[in-house]
Amino acid sequence: AQSVTQPDIHITVSEGASLELRCNYSYGATPYLFWYVQSPGQGLQLLLKYFSGDTLVQGIKGFEAEFKRSQSSFNLRKPSVHWSDAAEYFCAVGDGSGNTGKLIFGQGTTLQVKP
Amino acid sequence: NAGVTQTPKFRVLKTGQSMTLLCAQDMNHEYMYWYRQDPGMGLRLIHYSVGEGTTAKGEVPDGYNVSRLKKQNFLLGLESAAPSQTSVYFCASKSGGLAGGSRFFGPGTRLTVL
Repeated sequence: AQSVTQPDIHITVSEGASLELRCNYSYGATPYLFWYVQSPGQGLQLLLKYFSGDTLVQGIKGFEAEFKRSQSSFNLRKPSVHWSDAAEYFCAVGDGSGNTGKLIFGQGTTLQVKP
Repeated sequence: NAGVTQTPKFRVLKTGQSMTLLCAQDMNHEYMYWYRQDPGMGLRLIHYSVGEGTTAKGEVPDGYNVSRLKKQNFLLGLESAAPSQTSVYFCASKSGGLAGGSRFFGPGTRLTVL
C-alpha cells in the first residue's frame, strides 16, 4: 500500500536560514509526488509536483524539491526562509494506478520561523 | 471563476444530528474528493468521485455518505453525527487525465460535534 512519512512533526528555523523538510514515500511504481503548504485557517496550496524527468523540481515561493528514487525521498528545500513561510507543509503521493487521482498525504510538518 | 467553494465554513452540531456539506467547482472537473484533516494525521480521504453519478469509498468512509448528482457539486452527508467526526473537511477537484494533474482545494469547513 502507498504511504507517505514526514519524520519531522515540528521544525523551527531562523529567518534567513536554509530549510529542508523531509518526505519518504512507499510506492511500487514511479510515483507522482506533491508538496502543499497550508497557512493557518486556510486551504492547501500547491508548491510543486514531480511526475517524471528532471529529479530537481522548482516550485513557487522559491521552493524546490529533489526526487531520489534510491532513497524513496522527496525532500523540500528553500535556501533562505522568510517569516511568511511559517505554515504547515504536506507531502503527498498520487495514486498512479486505476486513474482515480487519489492523493495519500503525510502527517504534515509545522514550520516555525524565528525572527 | 471561483474555483472550489465549500458551504458552510463553520458548523456546530449536537451528537445524533445530521447535516450536508456542499462542495462546488466551476472548472468542469471530472474528479472530486472529500478529505478530513485532524491534528497529526494529515489529510485522509473519505470518499471520492471520478465523474457525475459515481462515488467510491476512500480511507475513512464510515459514518459518511456522498452524492454527485451534478458534475459541479459533490455533497458530503453525516446522517448521525458523532464527536469523532469533529474535524476540518476539505473538498478538492481535479481534471481528468493524468493521475498527476493539479488538484484544487476548497477553503475547508470546520465542524464541531458536541
